Amino acid sequence: QKEVEQNSGPLSVPEGAIASLNCTYSDRGSQSFFWYRQYSGKSPELIMSIYSNGDKEDGRFTAQLNKASQYVSLLIRDSQPSDSATYLCAVNIGGANNLFFGTGTRLTVIP
Amino acid sequence: GAVVSQHPSWVICKSGTSVKIECRSLDFQATTMFWYRQFPKQSLMLMATSNEGSKATYEQGVEKDKFLINHASLTLSTLTVTSAHPEDSSFYICSARDFDYEQYFGPGTRLTVT
Repeated sequence: QKEVEQNSGPLSVPEGAIASLNCTYSDRGSQSFFWYRQYSGKSPELIMSIYSNGDKEDGRFTAQLNKASQYVSLLIRDSQPSDSATYLCAVNIGGANNLFFGTGTRLTVIP
Repeated sequence: GAVVSQHPSWVICKSGTSVKIECRSLDFQATTMFWYRQFPKQSLMLMATSNEGSKATYEQGVEKDKFLINHASLTLSTLTVTSAHPEDSSFYICSARDFDYEQYFGPGTRLTVT
């Protein structure tokens, strides 16, 4: 089992819809969770971090964390074509120095 | 805030030569920096973790004598690809971690070895 797992997609949603991205992780003791957005040919950009159970909202983005079920999700409301990118879930596992990244979910927002 | 720069953004070199890539945290001090490599349509692959003032920790399968990492200050880490070969052509990305454990990525360096 990989440390961090994501559905690779592609996930397609129409413009204006809600995009839901999911991520599961292996270490129940993980404390820090991050979502990155990566456009094709570019480096990842941090868009959300979450540390506590529940929801965290930032503009059109909402991160949801459920430590008991070991999943973290990202909701994008009112999806725009500019949201089309690969979204990477990252988890700090076992107090390691580095983050463990999922393979990413490719999102396409259709105009 | 939390800006990480990389230089150069792209480089073309001949097989057998060495290339140095710089990574700088511009507005924060980074005790830990990371070097990743990403091939087209593949996920990020961590190459090594660099702590200021100490030797880098390399991931399994990454040749430490080929990918030399130096982290001389809290704002600068360098990666030198020695004796580069065409199979080393890739997108090299550094990241720096702040005290909240958030990692910020540089814009990446695209290396092409001919």
